[in-house]
Parts: sequence; structure tokens; C-alpha cells
Amino acid sequence: GAGVSQSPRYKVAKRGQDVALRCDPISGHVSLFWYQQALGQGPEFLTYFQNEAQLDKSGLPSDRFFAERPEGSVSTLKIQRTQQEDSAVYLCASSLHRGISNTIYFGEGSWLTVV
Amino acid sequence: GESVGLHLPTLSVQEGDNSIINCAYSNSASDYFIWYKQESGKGPQFIIDIRSNMDKRQGQRVTVLLNKTVKHLSLQIAATQPGDSAVYFCAERVLTGGGNKLTFGTGTQLKVEL
Repeated sequence: GAGVSQSPRYKVAKRGQDVALRCDPISGHVSLFWYQQALGQGPEFLTYFQNEAQLDKSGLPSDRFFAERPEGSVSTLKIQRTQQEDSAVYLCASSLHRGISNTIYFGEGSWLTVV
Repeated sequence: GESVGLHLPTLSVQEGDNSIINCAYSNSASDYFIWYKQESGKGPQFIIDIRSNMDKRQGQRVTVLLNKTVKHLSLQIAATQPGDSAVYFCAERVLTGGGNKLTFGTGTQLKVEL
């Protein structure tokens, strides 16, 4: 596709419900990132994939958060037993390669509200 | 810990004036910095980047300046337009081990007044 695509754009979940957020990176992009952005704040790193390998998951806030990219393309961020503090925008991003000068492109985000 | 932050949370400018958005960083090991623009309801959009071995880089209507001595980064927007209204983030990119992490500051809201 032309850009990073995320779905759903908006999700309202009841506390305790599990949610799954999908990311379609730009075709051919090796690196994929997930970020969490609270209202009025900058994006915070969650996790990073290079192809199907999850090389860095140091930003995942708890073991309720799980991300996968089984075939090295589409990625899913899963949040189990959602809590109100999980309410945020979840941004997916991709870049062609790992190299530091490769531009990281962001999707429009999935807006999660936990009630 | 290390962090990237912004001096001014809100900046108001008149249409046609030049804008300067500032950013302070504390990680002396950073060697790559990026400016992103984020409009309401959208994801961050890449504007311009700069390596630490440079002190200035120009794009279309935008210039990024890097002062490593005082760990300061700035984004200059020439002839600011209403479409420039957005939140601007500076970010540093760090490659550590197998990681590939982008660290953002808290952002500056740019408001363009007609």
C-alpha cells in the first residue's frame, strides 16, 4: 500500500476485554515499530520487529501487552484484560531497513478508549 | 535517564512570519535527530532529519539546526502558513544492540494566526 495502514481506527473496549490492533506496514519494509501515545504526550516506544523477529520489547508496559509479526509483514498488537490506563493512540510505523538514516513512516493510529 | 524535551509547549505566529521551534536533548550518544509534524487525529509525519556530524540542514521552507555543544536542536519554518498549524516533535534515533528505537519529546503546539 501507499502508507502504513492501521485498523481499527477507533475502538471502545470495556475494562477487562481483550483487544487486537492490526498494522499493515508499507510493502517491503523490514522494520516495524509500535508506539503508544497518551493525550498531549509524545509517542512512547513499545516494541520493534525486524522481519518476523521481535528484537526489542522493552517498552511493553506489562505482560498484558503482546505483539507479533509471524510472516514478517502484518503485525498485531494484542492487549489482554484492558484497563483504563491503556486508553491511548497506538501508532504503528515502518521503515525500509534498520539503518539509522532510513525514514520511519507512521500510520494514522488506532484510538483505544477503555471504559 | 536520558530524555529529549522541548522548551516551549505552545508557539503562536502570524501567517507569513518565520517560526522557530526549539528542542533540548540530553543523550550525548545520540547521532541522529528527526523532526515530525503531527496534525490533529493523524500520525506523525516526517519533516526533516539531521546527523550529529552536521550543524545545519535545509529542506523546502524548513531548516534544522543542531548545536551539539549545548545539546540543542531547532526547527525553522519560513513564511509560516495556516497549514503548518500542528504539534511538532523532535526525536532522537538510537541503535543499541539489536534495537532500533525512536525517542520523542513532548511536543510544541504551533498556532498560525491569520
